[in-house]
Amino acid sequence: DGGITQSPKYLFRKEGQNVTLSCEQNLNHDAMYWYRQDPGQGLRLIYYSQIVNDFQKGDIAEGYSVSREKKESFPLTVTSAQKNPTAFYLCASKTDSYNEQFFGPGTRLTVL
Amino acid sequence: RKEVEQDPGPFNVPEGATVAFNCTYSNSASQSFFWYRQDCRKEPKLLMSVYSSGNEDGRFTAQLNRASQYISLLIRDSKLSDSATYLCVVHASGGSYIPTFGRGTSLIVHP
Repeated sequence: DGGITQSPKYLFRKEGQNVTLSCEQNLNHDAMYWYRQDPGQGLRLIYYSQIVNDFQKGDIAEGYSVSREKKESFPLTVTSAQKNPTAFYLCASKTDSYNEQFFGPGTRLTVL
Repeated sequence: RKEVEQDPGPFNVPEGATVAFNCTYSNSASQSFFWYRQDCRKEPKLLMSVYSSGNEDGRFTAQLNRASQYISLLIRDSKLSDSATYLCVVHASGGSYIPTFGRGTSLIVHP
């Protein structure tokens, strides 16, 4: 079945540690996105990538980094520079020809 | 002014009721419009695309009003399972890869 997978579903880390969230898609989509969602809030764009080896900052990129070495994969690293990293992280992808986004199940990160 | 605005609710309605949500957008160049549904602690899932002519899918009807720059979602005969947050999503024209999300409208359907 085609889709987007994110792992792990829940992640706990100590303050000051970097952590990498996985996002993989087998939909052959060119564009991929990372969003952050806080309780009672909307989705905020962290980074997006339109093609392999290229990515752009979103509205809240500070304290985060990404890579896009393969079309299928768009991992997000939450660095120790991110002031308040505890949140629900969602990865999404879309084709060039249609604007519907498909979302992964999300990773809930808690920094202790 | 926020680019995409929604009434956060919650809208608390009995089973069988008809409920409508609106979403206003500020960019007049917006071209693509969607309603997504998000259940608690889950990812958003596409509910409906919104076409210029309006579209209907069972109990759900979506409308676009370009002149007033809003889209609407109408749910008829509400079910308990309709309880969720409904997100409005807008894409600008010009092949923009960046959608703009509203904060969502919470719907609670009670027995």
